[in-house]
Amino acid sequence: QKEVEQNSGPLSVPEGAIASLNCTYSDRVSQSFFWYRQYSGKSPELIMSIYSNGDKEDGRFTAQLNKASQYVSLLIRDSQPSDSATYLCAAGLTGNQFYFGTGTSLTVIP
Amino acid sequence: EAGVVQSPRYKIIEKKQPVAFWCNPISGHNTLYWYLQNLGQGPELLIRYENEEAVDDSQLPKDRFSAERLKGVDSTLKIQPAELGDSAVYLCASSPRTSGIETQYFGPGTRLLVL
Repeated sequence: QKEVEQNSGPLSVPEGAIASLNCTYSDRVSQSFFWYRQYSGKSPELIMSIYSNGDKEDGRFTAQLNKASQYVSLLIRDSQPSDSATYLCAAGLTGNQFYFGTGTSLTVIP
Repeated sequence: EAGVVQSPRYKIIEKKQPVAFWCNPISGHNTLYWYLQNLGQGPELLIRYENEEAVDDSQLPKDRFSAERLKGVDSTLKIQPAELGDSAVYLCASSPRTSGIETQYFGPGTRLLVL
């Protein structure tokens, strides 16, 4: 089993809808979690980090962590065409070790 | 604050040739990472440095890849000789501390094409 797994998609949602991106992880990496956005041809940029069970909101983005289910998600409310990108889930371990998923491609249709 | 700097941004070489990539992390960041990213995949760690020490190089193909971070600041990743399968984006990232879990910041990457 890979440390971090994501559904590669592609995921398409209409503009204004909620996009839901999901990620599961193995026991080894159950510490901190990060969501990165990567536009085509660009490097990953951090959107959200989450360390504790529950929800964390930042503008239109909400990260959810459920450690019992080993599940982390990213919700994007009021999706915009500019949100179209690949979203990478990453898990971190003490000592600055990180494991990335393969990414989910999101397209927001105007 | 300047971000992570990488050069070159693009490189085209013929197979069996050597190639080198350079990375300058964010000032004060002790941890430096080199990742390889293939199209449609997430970044895969090649090597991680804490200051000048390589603390995780288990995924680095040591028969052809080498890296150094001599003064604990900038770093160079080398491939010699390059193979067709090395065509990918090479990302450098840095984090501010050696303890705990700190956010990584990525550079723009170097796109390598091996012909």
